[in-house]
Amino acid sequence: DQQVKQNSPSLSVQEGRISILNCDYTNSMFDYFLWYKKYPAEGPTFLISISSIKDKNEDGRFTVFLNKSAKHLSLHIVPSQPGDSAVYFCAASARETSGSRLTFGEGTQLTVNP
Amino acid sequence: NAGVTQTPKFRVLKTGQSMTLLCAQDMNHEYMYWYRQDPGMGLRLIHYSVGEGTTAKGEVPDGYNVSRLKKQNFLLGLESAAPSQTSVYFCASTPGQGRTGELFFGEGSRLTVL
Repeated sequence: DQQVKQNSPSLSVQEGRISILNCDYTNSMFDYFLWYKKYPAEGPTFLISISSIKDKNEDGRFTVFLNKSAKHLSLHIVPSQPGDSAVYFCAASARETSGSRLTFGEGTQLTVNP
Repeated sequence: NAGVTQTPKFRVLKTGQSMTLLCAQDMNHEYMYWYRQDPGMGLRLIHYSVGEGTTAKGEVPDGYNVSRLKKQNFLLGLESAAPSQTSVYFCASTPGQGRTGELFFGEGSRLTVL
């Protein structure tokens, strides 16, 4: 079963506008959430994270929101830039999980058009 | 500034052949992981290690073996390759206990099994 789900395989936005990427999870033991960005032919790189004790974390143009009751998180990019075009993966972990293992979603391909 | 290095970057195998993917990290990280990425399925954990001499199974371990004889190296072996193992393989590492699960990834190894 897919414990972390990104329902939108792709998203296209205009440069300067807001990009909103969504992620849902089913495992109530998850208490830490991360977003990774991946360019073609490269490995994923860490973007931003949020602990379950918070509902918002901001880093420059990137903000992650967590709604624990809905088991939903979202990544907002404002303003979007063409260099943000990449695949974005949502990931989650549980404190009790051996080895700090992450469970990833399927990814969303973001395209920012100039 | 090597970080996480994977070799080889590309490989084509015939069904039934064997091969080993090597992952090396120079950050003195305790935990290391092997993931595979397939279209529409995100990143799935194959095996992981929480320290030198230890290994454990992830979500999709069948058909793979691993070894962590040295702290800096994590090897992924395919004893008898199958077309279903055609994928992009990513190695990752993280400092270990007490950290928040942020993984550092290699650039990936693309494997095709004919």
